Amino acid sequence: DQQVKQNSPSLSVQEGRISILNCDYTNSMFDYFLWYKKYPAEGPTFLISISSIKDKNEDGRFTVFLNKSAKHLSLHIVPSQPGDSAVYFCAARVTDSWGKLQFGAGTQVVVTP
Amino acid sequence: KAGVTQTPRYLIKTRGQQVTLSCSPISGHRSVSWYQQTPGQGLQFLFEYFSETQRNKGNFPGRFSGRQFSNSRSEMNVSTLELGDSALYLCASSLMAASSYNSPLHFGNGTRLTVT
Repeated sequence: DQQVKQNSPSLSVQEGRISILNCDYTNSMFDYFLWYKKYPAEGPTFLISISSIKDKNEDGRFTVFLNKSAKHLSLHIVPSQPGDSAVYFCAARVTDSWGKLQFGAGTQVVVTP
Repeated sequence: KAGVTQTPRYLIKTRGQQVTLSCSPISGHRSVSWYQQTPGQGLQFLFEYFSETQRNKGNFPGRFSGRQFSNSRSEMNVSTLELGDSALYLCASSLMAASSYNSPLHFGNGTRLTVT
């Protein structure tokens, strides 16, 4: 069953504006969440992560928000740049499952000039 | 520091054959995981190795197997290939230590396997 869901398969945003990507999960045992970016023919690139004990984590243009009660996390990219056009994956893992991530289906982001 | 290296990048096999894919983790990383990516199923976890021992296994048939060597390098093997095994196979490594619990996985660029 799909424990991590990205319900928006695509997102189009203008350069300079904010991109907001959403992710929902069902397993309350998840305690670490990650966002990856993927270009075609390449492996996913780690962007940012958040532990379940926090509700926000920032790294440059990227901010991840976690709402545990709603089992929802989001990734904000500000400002969006053309190089941000890629597929973004949300992922999660339970305690002690170091290498076992559950991935969402991905959101294709297109940043237009 | 070099990233995760996977070889070969592309592979074409026929049904019934077997294949071995190789992965060299980031230096110092002791945990190696394998994933399969297909258009229909997305990114699916295959297995994870640490100190030459399998720690976790995903829901794949026994035709999929792996191993890890003492230098942390890993291989995965798929026997009796089926058309549905065509996919991008990704290897990832992480720094698995008590002080680095929240350590992300770092992925290689994958091996694109086509089964005809």
